[in-house]
Amino acid sequence: DAKTTQPNSMESNEEEPVHLPCNHSTISGTDYIHWYRQLPSQGPEYVIHGLTSNVNNRMASLAIAEDRKSSTLILHRATLRDAAVYYCILRAVDSNYQLIWGAGTKLIIKP
Amino acid sequence: NAGVMQNPRHLVRRRGQEARLRCSPMKGHSHVYWYRQLPEEGLKFMVYLQKENIIDESGMPKERFSAEFPKEGPSILRIQQVVRGDSAAYFCASSPRSGGGGYTFGSGTRLTVV
Repeated sequence: DAKTTQPNSMESNEEEPVHLPCNHSTISGTDYIHWYRQLPSQGPEYVIHGLTSNVNNRMASLAIAEDRKSSTLILHRATLRDAAVYYCILRAVDSNYQLIWGAGTKLIIKP
Repeated sequence: NAGVMQNPRHLVRRRGQEARLRCSPMKGHSHVYWYRQLPEEGLKFMVYLQKENIIDESGMPKERFSAEFPKEGPSILRIQQVVRGDSAAYFCASSPRSGGGGYTFGSGTRLTVV
């Protein structure tokens, strides 16, 4: 599976938007882009996923570059409860059970 | 719907003992995945099961580790003769089918080998 690159950590102020970047320059045409987050001492939580078009749900938005070599997870109004490690993962449609995890981005929210 | 249930949440074993970790998938989900996480690292895939079948165990060590998902009851991850290096958080995830969509994860079992 293709690899992803994320910053180790980011800081943001409470109630401001947060843009979490992810580079995946070796993405193939059948790879879906998934985002999960993990709060301390908890299991990962699904956030959002997409293939080519931008996606929105109640938790976040996913902006995918036109060449699909990068994507950005957008939290529109961060709260203290959004402090977590955010993982960007590629999931091949024909290898549809394994998720290959990197180290993720630790998001710190300042009150 | 209680989601993916894992138990126990914490498990302490002495070196050489056996550890049994249980996972009940979400109602209606027939696909179960086990992952292991060491501190400050991402999750590592171990095994993928459907009811009564192991689909892919390529991430699971060949010795001492085994997994099952019987027709009735939870999925079990068994670690025999545990060693200190087995200390980690073990997460189970489930999905209704193998393609598309996200997984639902349990809260994990934190295994400590003393």
